[in-house]
Amino acid sequence: AQSVTQPDIHITVSEGASLELRCNYSYGATPYLFWYVQSPGQGLQLLLKYFSGDTLVQGIKGFEAEFKRSQSSFNLRKPSVHWSDAAEYFCAVAFFGNEKLTFGTGTRLTIIP
Amino acid sequence: DVKVTQSSRYLVKRTGEKVFLECVQDMDHENMFWYRQDPGLGLRLIYFSYDVKMKEKGDIPEGYSVSREKKERFSLILESASTNQTSMYLCAIRLGSTNEKLFFGSGTQLSVL
Repeated sequence: AQSVTQPDIHITVSEGASLELRCNYSYGATPYLFWYVQSPGQGLQLLLKYFSGDTLVQGIKGFEAEFKRSQSSFNLRKPSVHWSDAAEYFCAVAFFGNEKLTFGTGTRLTIIP
Repeated sequence: DVKVTQSSRYLVKRTGEKVFLECVQDMDHENMFWYRQDPGLGLRLIYFSYDVKMKEKGDIPEGYSVSREKKERFSLILESASTNQTSMYLCAIRLGSTNEKLFFGSGTQLSVL
């Protein structure tokens, strides 16, 4: 069965520092990969997605993610975080022909001044 | 803009009650999903539907059922609510195929006492 692992439950980063959130998936086929963000008290918003082509994808709010097939990973990055980036981040995976989207357990990001 | 409406933002029910959570979309989208979100567990798929009267079990269907009599409405039913079903319930729709993003409703926070 498809699964997603986000190994970091909580990350604290200083404002202006770089950020990388990890995501690994398991399954055999080519995945469709997503990163969603949930700000406190808000719904989930799509940051970016990958389904084919260039393995480095750009998203909203200055985020990017890189698909590495050999590592079954899709890590999210941002070169310089802002206080408004404090939120919970979810990685998700789906596969062609399977309507189900599976989410990871989430990484909570705290930004310190 | 796509609109996904969940009828209640907060709901308090008693153990053993039958509970209906409603989700309505304002477009003609086939795919609708019910997730529950719990701290440390992320989003877990309960049921989804890809057309009227069609439904598929997700990862945690036990204790739940669904109904989709009309395309715009997807209902989640707790036949006999239990305290371990206290959670945030999120409805989502997908505009197209598997590689398209989900649009989420604002959620229903259900407390079962």
